[in-house]
Amino acid sequence: AQKVIQVWSTASRQEGEELTLDCSYETSQVLYHLFWYKHLLSGEMVFLIRQMSSSTAKERSGRYSVVFQKSLKSISLVISALQPDDSGKYFCALWEPRDYGGSGNKLIFGTGTLLSVKP
Amino acid sequence: EAAVTQSPRNKVAVTGGKVTLSCNQTNNHNNMYWYRQDTGHGLRLIHYSYGAGSTEKGDIPDGYKASRPSQENFSLILELATPSQTSVYFCASGDARGEQYFGPGTRLTVL
Repeated sequence: AQKVIQVWSTASRQEGEELTLDCSYETSQVLYHLFWYKHLLSGEMVFLIRQMSSSTAKERSGRYSVVFQKSLKSISLVISALQPDDSGKYFCALWEPRDYGGSGNKLIFGTGTLLSVKP
Repeated sequence: EAAVTQSPRNKVAVTGGKVTLSCNQTNNHNNMYWYRQDTGHGLRLIHYSYGAGSTEKGDIPDGYKASRPSQENFSLILELATPSQTSVYFCASGDARGEQYFGPGTRLTVL
């Protein structure tokens, strides 16, 4: 069963708009991290933002922010003031450190949402 | 300067041939990973490593081997390539907080 679910496989917006990308996940762990990555059209995979399960802070990095609803096991990525360069594929990922006794990391990725931003 | 590099960036191989994908990182991370990305599947973990000399099976290890001869280098080996292994392969190094840093990817086509 898929542990990280991104329902929308594609999205399209106009430049200047705001977009929310949804992600839900399954875990029985108390401590875990959630990540958003962007796969650029050039092929590069770029880290965007992290949310720790133990944090109540609203994480933000530039135009990126998250809406973390822990009880619902949901995390959304919000991108404000969209630009054409924001086009790419966005992946949500779950990290459960206890999978490996805390000595290693394993990221579980969703299937991604391909975003197109039109000028 | 890129901290995770992969070579080759593109590769065309024949069925039954041997393919070696190389990855180098300058982040001094203990953990390194090999993923493949296919439409509809996201990134799937093939093999990973906790440090030089160690390799562990990921979620889809069949048909792949890995080698970690040093902290910096992690290779993915396809002994007998098959068309089903046509994909984009990503290498990553990871820190202790879960964040992973990816290479630029290798596009492999097996004919």
